[in-house]
Amino acid sequence: GAVVSQHPSRVICKSGTSVKIECRSLDFQATTMFWYRQFPKKSLMLMATSNEGSKATYEQGVEKDKFLINHASLTLSTLTVTSAHPEDSSFYICSARVVGIDWAQYFGPGTRLLVL
Amino acid sequence: GQNIDQPTEMTATEGAIVQINCTYQTSGFNGLFWYQQHAGEAPTFLSYNVLDGLEEKGRFSSFLSRSKGYSYLLLKELQMKDSASYLCAPMDSNYQLIWGAGTKLIIKP
Repeated sequence: GAVVSQHPSRVICKSGTSVKIECRSLDFQATTMFWYRQFPKKSLMLMATSNEGSKATYEQGVEKDKFLINHASLTLSTLTVTSAHPEDSSFYICSARVVGIDWAQYFGPGTRLLVL
Repeated sequence: GQNIDQPTEMTATEGAIVQINCTYQTSGFNGLFWYQQHAGEAPTFLSYNVLDGLEEKGRFSSFLSRSKGYSYLLLKELQMKDSASYLCAPMDSNYQLIWGAGTKLIIKP
C-alpha cells in the first residue's frame, strides 16, 4: 500500500518551454501532497504544500507563477514548470500524505528535469 | 530556529551493526521519521516514532528520546543494499517535516 507514481521520470526540454509533472497516489486518498526539489548531494527542499481543492502554499523564495501547482482530486497533483530555464534543471519529487492513518509522507520516484 | 544534526558519512562492514544518531531542535514536535534514500532515487519511509522508546521493524530499529531531542536508527545484519543516505526528519508543530542533508552510509564487504 501507499504507492505514489510520478510521470514523467525523466524529461529534457528547451529553454523557454513549459513542463508538466504528474503525481498520483495509486492506492490511497491524499488530502495533502508535497512538491520538493533536490540538487545533487543536497537535502530535500520543500517547494510547496498542496491541499486538494485549494490553492497551494508555497515556501519562501519559490515563485508561484513559475511553479504552478494544481491539486484537482484526492489522487492527483500536478506541477508545471513554466518558461523553464537551465537553472530549473533538478530532481523534482512529490510526496503524498495518507488521510487519517498516519503522518508519513510517501514519495513518488521523482522526475529528473534537464533544461537545455 | 529548526535544526537537525546527523553525521555526514559513516562506513560499516557487511553483516555488522551500525547506529546513526540524530539530534534535532524544532518549533513544536509531532514525531520523527526516518527515511532511506538511495543515490538518484526518492526517499522511502522506514519508521515513525512519536513516543519515547524503541520501535523494532525487522533489521531496522528506531529510538526516540523527546526530552533529549535525540533519535537513532539501528541497522543490523548489514547488507550491501543498505548503502544509502538515511534521513532523520522531525515533524514540527505545523506537521511539516524538517529535512537535513542526511547520513551517507557506506557498506564495505
